[in-house]
Amino acid sequence: DTGVSQDPRHKITKRGQNVTFRCDPISEHNRLYWYRQTLGQGPEFLTYFQNEAQLEKSRLLSDRFSAERPKGSFSTLEIQRTEQGDSAMYLCASSFEFASYTFGSGTRLTVV
Amino acid sequence: SQQGEEDPQALSIQEGENATMNCSYKTSINNLQWYRQNSGRGLVHLILIRSNEREKHSGRLRVTLDTSKKSSSLLITASRAADTASYFCATDEETSGSRLTFGEGTQLTVNP
Repeated sequence: DTGVSQDPRHKITKRGQNVTFRCDPISEHNRLYWYRQTLGQGPEFLTYFQNEAQLEKSRLLSDRFSAERPKGSFSTLEIQRTEQGDSAMYLCASSFEFASYTFGSGTRLTVV
Repeated sequence: SQQGEEDPQALSIQEGENATMNCSYKTSINNLQWYRQNSGRGLVHLILIRSNEREKHSGRLRVTLDTSKKSSSLLITASRAADTASYFCATDEETSGSRLTFGEGTQLTVNP
């Protein structure tokens, strides 16, 4: 297991289209987090899972965003009806209990 | 919302010099962590300091934590060009459910 994997690395989509990102965490990690980062800013929390349960969602996560973690393994983040303001780097991280995070390399979304 | 505020926003030094970055936060924390991010990549965990610790070392890194002032500092000694990156502090707030809140980062440039 080489770390947290995110797919795709880059995604360009037209406004109004739906996109889905995937994150494969470190297999021993029970917690999985999604963050969003725009240029020059720190990562902003979106949501997190403990095993398969989604325990917290940020107010940033509008109804167009949905995340799942079936069977407590990989996770998907879907954005419906994308808007230009959704353009950002979407970062996934995992951890075991309250330890430090291991981040993936991120998915850069560009909405045109 | 961003809890941590890093200071300075940008720092440019010569190779061999020391670099000091500061972070202030607002609420009670369980721990504070520092992460590094190279341009366009995911974040890498550097060091974690718990709320009952005052100082911690890891190689060329030294972190201090002053919970009475709600502040932390990261010192990188004998800097190298390869240390050029953005550095973020992140707080594990007591009321957060163990998700991290990141600051906006300090962009460090080490000139060879």
